[in-house]
Amino acid sequence: GQQLNQSPQSMFIQEGEDVSMNCTSSSIFNTWLWYKQDPGEGPVLLIALYKAGELTSNGRLTAQFGITRKDSFLNISASIPSDVGIYFCAGPPNTDKLIFGTGTRLQVFP
Amino acid sequence: NAGVMQNPRHLVRRRGQEARLRCSPMKGHSHVYWYRQLPEEGLKFMVYLQKENIIDESGMPKERFSAEFPKEGPSILRIQQVVRGDSAAYFCASSPVGFTEALHSSFEAFFGQGTRLTVV
Repeated sequence: GQQLNQSPQSMFIQEGEDVSMNCTSSSIFNTWLWYKQDPGEGPVLLIALYKAGELTSNGRLTAQFGITRKDSFLNISASIPSDVGIYFCAGPPNTDKLIFGTGTRLQVFP
Repeated sequence: NAGVMQNPRHLVRRRGQEARLRCSPMKGHSHVYWYRQLPEEGLKFMVYLQKENIIDESGMPKERFSAEFPKEGPSILRIQQVVRGDSAAYFCASSPVGFTEALHSSFEAFFGQGTRLTVV
């Protein structure tokens, strides 16, 4: 079945550093969604991407829709402690259901 | 505008009992998706429903699990005769239109805070 692989699996960084993570698919996606999940909470939508090559920002977050349409990238600039959480990519692979990536766990140290 | 509401937040059931999880989508949303998450894992798709219709239930076990989204009221995920392996967090999401209907240009899905089911 469809699979979304995220890397890295986990990151341990110092406050103020920039973060990059990516998501790759075995098939073409027409939409990419990036979510953040805090412990004990539901995923919160951060950024949505709809066109190959599209670059979209939301505050310190920037996401890009890969040209091949099989990948997407999320960058966080100048990380702060509240960025801690699990980041998931997700997309509907030509069907009406949303499948999720394996997640990148981010830990920020002061 | 209230977000997606799930209740209860926590549910404890003994083996063999039934669990009923409720999800009220955001106002104006007629599409609901249910997901299951085990500790330290990602979200696994279970079922996608539109008002009164099951669109895709490919991720839902054939036995003991059922879902509905009636014309009036919340969507319900029902687990009969629960077993320890059913312990997980169950999330629902809603969207105003399905992906195909959105023509790929504006699909978004918003999640509730989840129901944590513990089977003892």
